[in-house]
Amino acid sequence: GAGVSQSPSNKVTEKGKDVELRCDPISGHTALYWYRQRLGQGLEFLIYFQGNSAPDKSGLPSDRFSAERTGESVSTLTIQRTQQEDSAVYLCASSSAWDSSYEQYFGPGTRLTVT
Amino acid sequence: AQSVSQHNHHVILSEAASLELGCNYSYGGTVNLFWYVQYPGQHLQLLLKYFSGDPLVKGIKGFEAEFIKSKFSFNLRKPSVQWSDTAEYFCAVRAGANNLFFGTGTRLTVIP
Repeated sequence: GAGVSQSPSNKVTEKGKDVELRCDPISGHTALYWYRQRLGQGLEFLIYFQGNSAPDKSGLPSDRFSAERTGESVSTLTIQRTQQEDSAVYLCASSSAWDSSYEQYFGPGTRLTVT
Repeated sequence: AQSVSQHNHHVILSEAASLELGCNYSYGGTVNLFWYVQYPGQHLQLLLKYFSGDPLVKGIKGFEAEFIKSKFSFNLRKPSVQWSDTAEYFCAVRAGANNLFFGTGTRLTVIP
């Protein structure tokens, strides 16, 4: 079946501009995660959605970052007033509430470059 | 705070050599442990996972990992690597929270 999809695959933006990154999780997966991977570093957790519960925003690095999810479908990560340090690959993952091992399925990522 | 350490940043091996990639984590409670792999040009995919039971887990493509609770380790092994194993390998831990904590990754290059 279809996996997690993300768009765009690449985004180049000027410093100070806002960007929106989109994630389509696997159908039926109630949990959705956003991670950031900077060059040479591991994945850094940003935010987690589970069904209709309040999202876990504990990983968001600043108030310039926000994310929304419509029900159990698509999610949008928004970065306002982008800075050069925001340059990274942004990864989305989803998992099923029925999988007790919490295995996460990852999308291909969006490579964001802030110039 | 939870952390995951992968001590090998880049490993270069010849085909048929044995592989062991280290992974240590810092968390004293119950953990779920994962190894993810990212082949060139592809997205992250699960290689294997430990949830409970037998601490020696086997994954795809002949990989295995052993959970040693006393050492807080979950090292990845393969007895004989192939050129197609060239990829980046990430160890991850789920420790109490819903999200995963990832190591910085180990790049494996296998020389034919």
